[in-house]
Amino acid sequence: ETGVTQTPRHLVMGMTNKKSLKCEQHLGHNAMYWYKQSAKKPLELMFVYSLEERVENNSVPSRFSPECPNSSHLFLHLHTLQPEDSALYLCASSQVGGNQPQHFGDGTRLSIL
Amino acid sequence: GESVGLHLPTLSVQEGDNSIINCAYSNSASDYFIWYKQESGKGPQFIIDIRSNMDKRQGQRVTVLLNKTVKHLSLQIAATQPGDSAVYFCAEKENSGYALNFGKGTSLLVTP
Repeated sequence: ETGVTQTPRHLVMGMTNKKSLKCEQHLGHNAMYWYKQSAKKPLELMFVYSLEERVENNSVPSRFSPECPNSSHLFLHLHTLQPEDSALYLCASSQVGGNQPQHFGDGTRLSIL
Repeated sequence: GESVGLHLPTLSVQEGDNSIINCAYSNSASDYFIWYKQESGKGPQFIIDIRSNMDKRQGQRVTVLLNKTVKHLSLQIAATQPGDSAVYFCAEKENSGYALNFGKGTSLLVTP
C-alpha cells in the first residue's frame, strides 16, 4: 500500500525537542486521520480532518498539534513529549460520506528519550 | 463503555488449512465493519468490509460473516498461506461518525 506515505519512518527525540510527522495521501481522499498505536492496546484515534477542517479531537494533550494544509497533506507537530508518548503513529485517509474504508500509511515509530 | 474485542489473542494454523478469526462488538448502532491485516513494520492493510445490511461478503480467499443478533463478526481465510501470518484487527463504526473503533487484534501464525 503506497497510497499513504508517512515520514520519517523512525524518530528518536528528547523530551524538550520539537519535531513534526508528515503524511501524504495519493488516493484523492478528503478525510485524514492520526492514530496512536501502543503495544497491547487498540489503535487510538487522535484527530480527524474532513475537508481540511478538524472535526474530532479525542482528548489529546496539547503537546500534539495537528495541521492539515490541504486534503493531501497532514502533519503532527510534537513538542515537549513524555516517555509514554513513545508509540507508532499512523496516518490514514478516506473518502467522506457514507461508509468508506480508511487506508493507512506504515507509520512513524517514535521513541522519546 | 462500548467496545470491540477479539475472542482469541493468538491463532496458530497449518499451511493450507482454513483460518477463522472472531470478533465481538457491543455497539448496537455500528453499521459498518472492516477487517485489517497488519504485518510487522507496516500499517494496517484493508482486507474486506461489510455493511450492516449484509450478513456475508466474499473476497479473494477471504469471507466476512456478520451476525447482528449476537453482535459477532468473523473473518475466514481459505487455504492459509505463510504470507497470511500477521495481526488481524476488526473495526466498527457508526454511519454518522468518523471514528473507527478497533479491537486489540489477533495474531495469526501459519506454520509449514
